Amino acid sequence: SQELEQSPQSLIVQEGKNLTINCTSSKTLYGLYWYKQKYGEGLIFLMMLQKGGEEKSHEKITAKLDEKKQQSSLHITASQPSHAGIYLCGARTNSNSGYALNFGKGTSLLVTP
Amino acid sequence: DSGVTQTPKHLITATGQRVTLRCSPRSGDLSVYWYQQSLDQGLQFLIQYYNGEERAKGNILERFSAQQFPDLHSELNLSSLELGDSALYFCASSPPGPGEQFFGPGTRLTVL
Repeated sequence: SQELEQSPQSLIVQEGKNLTINCTSSKTLYGLYWYKQKYGEGLIFLMMLQKGGEEKSHEKITAKLDEKKQQSSLHITASQPSHAGIYLCGARTNSNSGYALNFGKGTSLLVTP
Repeated sequence: DSGVTQTPKHLITATGQRVTLRCSPRSGDLSVYWYQQSLDQGLQFLIQYYNGEERAKGNILERFSAQQFPDLHSELNLSSLELGDSALYFCASSPPGPGEQFFGPGTRLTVL
């Protein structure tokens, strides 16, 4: 079974609209990472969250970590076509496994004009 | 550009063959991670090396092996290839600690 569940699997939004992607872990989180990937390309780091209640923002993207619920959300405000891609959450769920990450299956985002 | 390089970019081979994927980490990064991305399994951690030593193992098959050399570049060896090994293989590097992992552009392996 997947340790990290992302929802929704895919999302189509109109340009200018806000959207939220969720990532829920079935195990204790020791760090939560958000990456963006263009199809078939490498991953681009967005944000890392380590403490419960932590919230970080970069341009129009905000990520929050709810440690008690073992959940993180990624919120995009006023979406643009440049936001399109696959959003992946990754997490350390084992404190003894170095800093390797387990990833969710991703959320595919399409932004229409 | 993340600073992590991977070669080759594409590789097409036949079942039963052996291939080697190469990764050069960012300057100064001691950790190298290998991940496999496929449509059905998603992005899965294979193995991590830190300064030449194996640090952590994930879902790596016995047919696969890796090593990290004194100059810190790493190679992932895949042998007795099967159709199901077709995937994107990523290398990532990071400085010590729980910070950002920088991903390379990946090697797309196709097994025919």
